[in-house]
Amino acid sequence: EPEVTQTPSHQVTQMGQEVILRCVPISNHLYFYWYRQILGQKVEFLVSFYNNEISEKSEIFDDQFSVERPDGSNFTLKIRSTKLEDSAMYFCASSEMRSSPNQPQHFGDGTRLSIL
Amino acid sequence: DQQVKQNSPSLSVQEGRISILNCDYTNSMFDYFLWYKKYPAEGPTFLISISSIKDKNEDGRFTVFLNKSAKHLSLHIVPSQPGDSAVYFCAASLHTSGTYKYIFGTGTRLKVLA
Repeated sequence: EPEVTQTPSHQVTQMGQEVILRCVPISNHLYFYWYRQILGQKVEFLVSFYNNEISEKSEIFDDQFSVERPDGSNFTLKIRSTKLEDSAMYFCASSEMRSSPNQPQHFGDGTRLSIL
Repeated sequence: DQQVKQNSPSLSVQEGRISILNCDYTNSMFDYFLWYKKYPAEGPTFLISISSIKDKNEDGRFTVFLNKSAKHLSLHIVPSQPGDSAVYFCAASLHTSGTYKYIFGTGTRLKVLA
């Protein structure tokens, strides 16, 4: 079964440094998402992306965050100047359709981001 | 923001018995609901979903019930197996600004005892 793949599985970065998290969505999917889960808290929506532009972003997704689909397969999340509170598990997801109970979002295994 | 709540952080069930996981929500604009299962060091895996216009959906050992008047849904697993031990997340799909996003509950850790 096709999978969403994320790299790296664990990223350790000094506070203030830039970090790029990478995702390869399922190949025929058109809608892409980033979520994050701070330890002990719920999974939270960050941003959705379709047709090479952001469809929606949450209040968490401030000017320090950006997303890009640099080629036909990768989908990246960049944090420009990381803060301690950016430490979390970041999940990439993709879906074939905009929304349907029978076409759910498929999630990758996540990247654990640790800011020192 | 507590739009989706799972009030039981953990649940233990004997193998072969029924597991019932509960979820409450507050926003009547959700258009469908999903259950995801998550093992340690893995991402959430889709399990089953239900449209807001239905009250039941069944897939093998898994059944989801939706009570719209009570804003409550539940996941039934019958019979429970040790491999079902995982964290279960309830999620709701919300349409805003031309896109759909999922709102997650905090999860319930299910332990199925052999």
